[in-house]
Amino acid sequence: IAGITQAPTSQILAAGRRMTLRCTQDMRHNAMYWYRQDLGLGLRLIHYSNTAGTTGKGEVPDGYSVSRANTDDFPLTLASAVPSQTSVYFCASSPTSGGPSSYNEQFFGPGTRLTVL
Amino acid sequence: LAKTTQPISMDSYEGQEVNITCSHNNIATNDYITWYQQFPSQGPRFIIQGYKTKVTNEVASLFIPADRKSSTLSLPRVSLSDTAVYYCLVGDMYLAAGNKLTFGGGTRVLVKP
Repeated sequence: IAGITQAPTSQILAAGRRMTLRCTQDMRHNAMYWYRQDLGLGLRLIHYSNTAGTTGKGEVPDGYSVSRANTDDFPLTLASAVPSQTSVYFCASSPTSGGPSSYNEQFFGPGTRLTVL
Repeated sequence: LAKTTQPISMDSYEGQEVNITCSHNNIATNDYITWYQQFPSQGPRFIIQGYKTKVTNEVASLFIPADRKSSTLSLPRVSLSDTAVYYCLVGDMYLAAGNKLTFGGGTRVLVKP
């Protein structure tokens, strides 16, 4: 079944540890995104990638890094986790990075619930 | 960066029409307006997207006035399964630089029997 998968589903992590959240899509979408969702704050964009080989910073990039070595995978790394990074993380993709005349729909993964102690 | 404002919550009853308005006074020329639905413990799901006037699909309608400073999502004849959080998203889908995608705080819709 086509879509986006994220791993792990949930994780409890000690502060200071390194963690990589995995995201894979099989829809051959050009653009991919990472969001975090905190209670009362909605979704906030962390990083994005318009196409393989390129990445950019979103609204809350500090403490996170991403890479886009190929079309399908877009891992998010926390180099040294802190408790404020406790959140639910969603990966998403869209068919094109677009332009003013394009219509895009973002497809979201099931999320990863991360707790940093 | 277009900021969006939505009501925090609204209640409705089965069979009624639900209208959720999102304000986005600073919307840019290249910005599109997109609405998503989110159930607990799931990722958001696309509902509808538009640029101006009215857009309708099998799930909802989106009304955008000429000045584009607000938009209204209309859900016809809601059922209990429409209970969810609805997000208004404004942004240029071409993220050439910076954080142009903005989610609103979301509106929690509760449909009662």
